[in-house]
Amino acid sequence: EPEVTQTPSHQVTQMGQEVILRCVPISNHLYFYWYRQILGQKVEFLVSFYNNEISEKSEIFDDQFSVERPDGSNFTLKIRSTKLEDSAMYFCASTIDRGRVYGYTFGSGTRLTVV
Amino acid sequence: GQQLNQSPQSMFIQEGEDVSMNCTSSSIFNTWLWYKQDPGEGPVLLIALYKAGELTSNGRLTAQFGITRKDSFLNISASIPSDVGIYFCAGSYGQNFVFGPGTRLSVLP
Repeated sequence: EPEVTQTPSHQVTQMGQEVILRCVPISNHLYFYWYRQILGQKVEFLVSFYNNEISEKSEIFDDQFSVERPDGSNFTLKIRSTKLEDSAMYFCASTIDRGRVYGYTFGSGTRLTVV
Repeated sequence: GQQLNQSPQSMFIQEGEDVSMNCTSSSIFNTWLWYKQDPGEGPVLLIALYKAGELTSNGRLTAQFGITRKDSFLNISASIPSDVGIYFCAGSYGQNFVFGPGTRLSVLP
């Protein structure tokens, strides 16, 4: 079964540092997403990406966040200057059809801890 | 923005019992998804619904897309210990999906 792969599984960083979270979506998928989940809370949408550009972003996705698909297989989320409240699980997801029929496939997540 | 509510927030059941949970929205959706999340893992898709009134099964799981398009429910029959986890609904109206807050299920042996 194809999988969405995320690395690292856990990252600890100091406040103010930059972090890059990496994802390898399923190879024939076209739409890519980042979601986050603060511990014990619901999954929140951050950004969607299609055809090498952002198609939608939430108010959480401010100027500190950016996404990139640098080489046709990786999909990265960068947080420029981390804050304590950025501590969360970050999930990458991909889909072939915007989720209308096949849903999204989620990775296992990267747990980001900002200290 | 669009908001989803799930009930119950949490439930404790005995192994072998049936479970029912639901998801409601103030907006109409054209797709509903149900996910299960194990601790420390990403959500895993259980069932996708894309037509009002649709009833779909996946093993012991059955989900329905409400006629009003503002709700959906998920039933689990004859629960087993590995059903433990958080069940999320997610809805979309052609845009990105919004997730509900989840129902936490605990199964007692």
